Amino acid sequence: DVKVTQSSRYLVKRTGEKVFLECVQDMDHENMFWYRQDPGLGLRLIYFSYDVKMKEKGDIPEGYSVSREKKERFSLILESASTNQTSMYLCATHPRTATGHLEEQYFGPGTRLTVT
Amino acid sequence: AQKVTQAQTEISVVEKEDVTLDCVYETRDTTYYLFWYKQPPSGELVFLIRRNSFDEQNEISGRYSWNFQKSTSSFNFTITASQVVDSAVYFCALSEENTGGFKTIFGAGTRLFVKA
Repeated sequence: DVKVTQSSRYLVKRTGEKVFLECVQDMDHENMFWYRQDPGLGLRLIYFSYDVKMKEKGDIPEGYSVSREKKERFSLILESASTNQTSMYLCATHPRTATGHLEEQYFGPGTRLTVT
Repeated sequence: AQKVTQAQTEISVVEKEDVTLDCVYETRDTTYYLFWYKQPPSGELVFLIRRNSFDEQNEISGRYSWNFQKSTSSFNFTITASQVVDSAVYFCALSEENTGGFKTIFGAGTRLFVKA
């Protein structure tokens, strides 16, 4: 079974702190994603990565950065946390796509971040 | 641009009723993928089904069935004889090819309550 783990289930930080959210997968997947989930808005894509050291902005990258130094690890960084970044953060992965076929995403359990 | 609309925010049914969750999507690509995921109260998203844009065959899996219609850009999900365990948030998602891989957009989700 694919295992996607996230460093914390719950996290409380203060405004202005630098926050690291870690995601680790054990299935050698090339593609990794960070989403945030808010009521009524579904999942919104923050950043994604197709390979080590590669990153692409999603739909809401402002206030976030990412790091992918190793294939299995994809980190989301909040440079200076703000209260509007209070949310559930979900990491997901899927393998490189073969021609004509796209696998589903495998999700981690989520990190509920509260910024006070 | 990609867009996924799940117009039903919440649906409440009584056990054994049938229920249909609507999903309408927008895309300019001819090649794309559609997904449904389930998010139970525990929080972790679970993959239910994948369809590519060239396969309009409907699918049935036990009590679950999916109706994909390109003419109306819809990918609706029906649960027959609903059960309390079906209570969850259900997300429809659309994936299109992007530079280096696929980008996935999720709808806002439909929360289903099944009462005993």
